[in-house]
Amino acid sequence: GAVVSQHPSWVICKSGTSVKIECRSLDFQATTMFWYRQFPKQSLMLMATSNEGSKATYEQGVEKDKFLINHASLTLSTLTVTSAHPEDSSFYICSARDLRLAGGTDTQYFGPGTRLTVL
Amino acid sequence: DAKTTQPTSMDCAEGRAANLPCNHSTISGNEYVYWYRQIHSQGPQYIIHGLKNNETNEMASLIITEDRKSSTLILPHATLRDTAVYYCIGTDSWGKLQFGAGTQVVVTP
Repeated sequence: GAVVSQHPSWVICKSGTSVKIECRSLDFQATTMFWYRQFPKQSLMLMATSNEGSKATYEQGVEKDKFLINHASLTLSTLTVTSAHPEDSSFYICSARDLRLAGGTDTQYFGPGTRLTVL
Repeated sequence: DAKTTQPTSMDCAEGRAANLPCNHSTISGNEYVYWYRQIHSQGPQYIIHGLKNNETNEMASLIITEDRKSSTLILPHATLRDTAVYYCIGTDSWGKLQFGAGTQVVVTP
């Protein structure tokens, strides 16, 4: 149980285009989803937190107009990188949390990640 | 907010127990400690979490000191597939996981 998928697993795009990444909780309903970014040889950096039906909360320094997050249902969240540039190339990882599943704890279940390369 | 410190790296022999330490001296009384691991180019995998009592599941055991200032993750019989970065994680006041640099564990034959 507690499986999270991401699509696509990797994407290459041209500079200036937009890319959408999907995150789905397959066997549970995620009241909260999180989006992280990870650069090579670094740890995960939280970008934003989203609750179903609400606007996402972005971490300091993350541009909300560049990284659009939609959490329209309890099993799907999307991250759209708008007008992507080479410096946006990174490993994007989502996670999902259901407080009911986690016994009231903050346990998150992570997707496999999406490798974005912007040329 | 709980901040954790871990050794940068550890080597362990295949088949032996791997004991991964973590210090979290600022953890508050109601904060859980979470352990995840990340195999190269994959998303983090949940291992175990605990509050006060020692915990065990099919993957690992978690030993938490009585004062809750440190804990040890034990992989009972390390295999080559356990090579990964292991994260000992606390949360902030909003329940967000606080990832540090983790411990790079290399299991050798």
